[in-house]
Amino acid sequence: AQKVTQAQTEISVVEKEDVTLDCVYETRDTTYYLFWYKQPPSGELVFLIRRNSFDEQNEISGRYSWNFQKSTSSFNFTITASQVVDSAVYFCALSEAAGSARQLTFGSGTQLTVLP
Amino acid sequence: GAGVSQSPRYKVAKRGQDVALRCDPISGHVSLFWYQQALGQGPEFLTYFQNEAQLDKSGLPSDRFFAERPEGSVSTLKIQRTQQEDSAVYLCASSLANRVDQPQHFGDGTRLSIL
Repeated sequence: AQKVTQAQTEISVVEKEDVTLDCVYETRDTTYYLFWYKQPPSGELVFLIRRNSFDEQNEISGRYSWNFQKSTSSFNFTITASQVVDSAVYFCALSEAAGSARQLTFGSGTQLTVLP
Repeated sequence: GAGVSQSPRYKVAKRGQDVALRCDPISGHVSLFWYQQALGQGPEFLTYFQNEAQLDKSGLPSDRFFAERPEGSVSTLKIQRTQQEDSAVYLCASSLANRVDQPQHFGDGTRLSIL
């Protein structure tokens, strides 16, 4: 069975600080996809990034970067020079390629608060 | 609009009433998903459609929950004889193709409160 764990329930930082959100996953599949979503107070889940299990290259997009390590089953997300607008709940999610299932399995989320 | 649209945005019902929640996916998206999100938790899968076919309903918590997508576009999630534990945000998502690597695009959700 697949499982996603986000151990950090809440994080508060002061604007311009860097912050890393942790994600650990469990799966029996060798082919799978990992995702990060942002959920602002409006409620809509906003897609941020997708990674497949065969691509362990780190990725950077502006102030965002992702560190995927299969050896530790982790897919961590770092925001550099955080801004107040980054305040939201962030979810890590997993999708397995085996079978016909297409649903995402989400972690419980990390509430990030960036203080001015 | 360009995104996934859900209505109503908020729904209050008395215990025992039936409710219907609507989802308009992004035009042309083949796959449609329903998730239930309890307060302070991540979304949990309910059911999945590929066009009009309901391929997976393993996440529906009871036979009081029913979903349909008769023409392969708009979908309705119906909950019969609502109970207080049904209170949650119901999220709809769509994706372009029936592929596991396709990102799912979510609507704003319907916040359901059962009194």
